Amino acid sequence: DADVTQTPRNRITKTGKRIMLECSQTKGHDRMYWYRQDPGLGLRLIYYSFDVKDINKGEISDGYSVSRQAQAKFSLSLESAIPNQTALYFCATSARTGGQETQYFGPGTRLLVL
Amino acid sequence: TQLLEQSPQFLSIQEGENLTVYCNSSSVFSSLQWYRQEPGEGPVLLVTVVTGGEVKKLKRLTFQFGDARKDSSLHITAAQPGDTGLYLCAGLCLPNFGNEKLTFGTGTRLTIIP
Repeated sequence: DADVTQTPRNRITKTGKRIMLECSQTKGHDRMYWYRQDPGLGLRLIYYSFDVKDINKGEISDGYSVSRQAQAKFSLSLESAIPNQTALYFCATSARTGGQETQYFGPGTRLLVL
Repeated sequence: TQLLEQSPQFLSIQEGENLTVYCNSSSVFSSLQWYRQEPGEGPVLLVTVVTGGEVKKLKRLTFQFGDARKDSSLHITAAQPGDTGLYLCAGLCLPNFGNEKLTFGTGTRLTIIP
């Protein structure tokens, strides 16, 4: 079984619709992240959470919100989707071991906003 | 915002050839990681380099961290079709004060032609 799962894997929605992307993990990590990936831009951080009561904006948080419902669950919402939010979205968890940070990614959600 | 530029953005070579991918920044990083991403999946960590000038080998892959810890390279010897994928570098910035988050590079899409 995958350690980091994302639902849905693919989604098509219309401009103005609210949409939620969900992420669950069984790794027991406190830290969770949401990224978006666009061609030629690598991965850009949207929001991150270092524990259940901690939520932080990343470099591109406008138009997005998150909820950390439990240690294992971190959801990303688009309150009113727009076409330039069409992208591949990744959830990740991380652990720090011996001073090293390793991120573990989910399989991604491909979102198309028409 | 620290930027990590990767070059080339795209690379297509014949099986058996050697190649080098570069990751450059004007910022100093406490550590730098390389991830590989295959279609339909999230990135997976290949290696972490920590010390300036450090060289790590992973089978046919050689990773080097620049002396000043601002850049890194990935060299692949005798490339094989299984090396095809998107290669991402990611840096952990100094100082971090416990608020660590990775900055990802723009990515190099590598295609090995059989």
